[in-house]
Amino acid sequence: DIQMTQSPSSLSASVGDRVTITCQASEDITDNLSWYHQKPGKAPRLLIFDVSNVEAGVPSRFSGSGSGTDFTLTISSLQPEDIGTYYCQHYYFFPVAFGGGTQVELK
Amino acid sequence: QVQLVQSGAEAKKPGASVRVSCKASGYAFSRFGINWVRQAPGQGLEWMGWVSASNGQTNYAQRFHDRVTMTTDTSTTTAYMELRSLRRDDTAVYYCARVRGFPDYWGQGTRVTVSS
Repeated sequence: DIQMTQSPSSLSASVGDRVTITCQASEDITDNLSWYHQKPGKAPRLLIFDVSNVEAGVPSRFSGSGSGTDFTLTISSLQPEDIGTYYCQHYYFFPVAFGGGTQVELK
Repeated sequence: QVQLVQSGAEAKKPGASVRVSCKASGYAFSRFGINWVRQAPGQGLEWMGWVSASNGQTNYAQRFHDRVTMTTDTSTTTAYMELRSLRRDDTAVYYCARVRGFPDYWGQGTRVTVSS
């Protein structure tokens, strides 16, 4: 099974900061990677699919990059509504798996 | 618009079974699969399995494969997840999600509490 490792597990940043979250797969998953944002008590929301495609309705400050085993989610200018937990997920083959999550807080 | 509406919270005793439903609307139900994902209190997301809404084919996570059954009913555009032999550590919020290769639209979640 493919394991997904996210880092950092948590971070604190100010409004307007550039935030970067990384996700590493235990083996090559080509471009089968998505990112989700979850606010407390809510269902996850799809942000990015196929590494770098931004889902419709998602603000342009979110972007994704990477290939193979190493991937990055970037928030170009952090906003108050961006707080919460971010998860990566691979869907290269079954079983799919999520990363452990990165909790983003405001400084 | 695409909506997935799940059944309400459940309280169960250890050893019992629970069935969670997920009513889909706003899209061609049979064209997409459904994932089931759970989240224990304070923990991350855990994939439980996938079911095809076109032919009922399933793929379950190994740790659940002997206790879970996922089905769909195309006549009512509803997906179901049944988990048997419940344990206290099955206490979690259970989500369904439409799959277009990856989960895109998610249900609101169903809280299942297992306690004696």
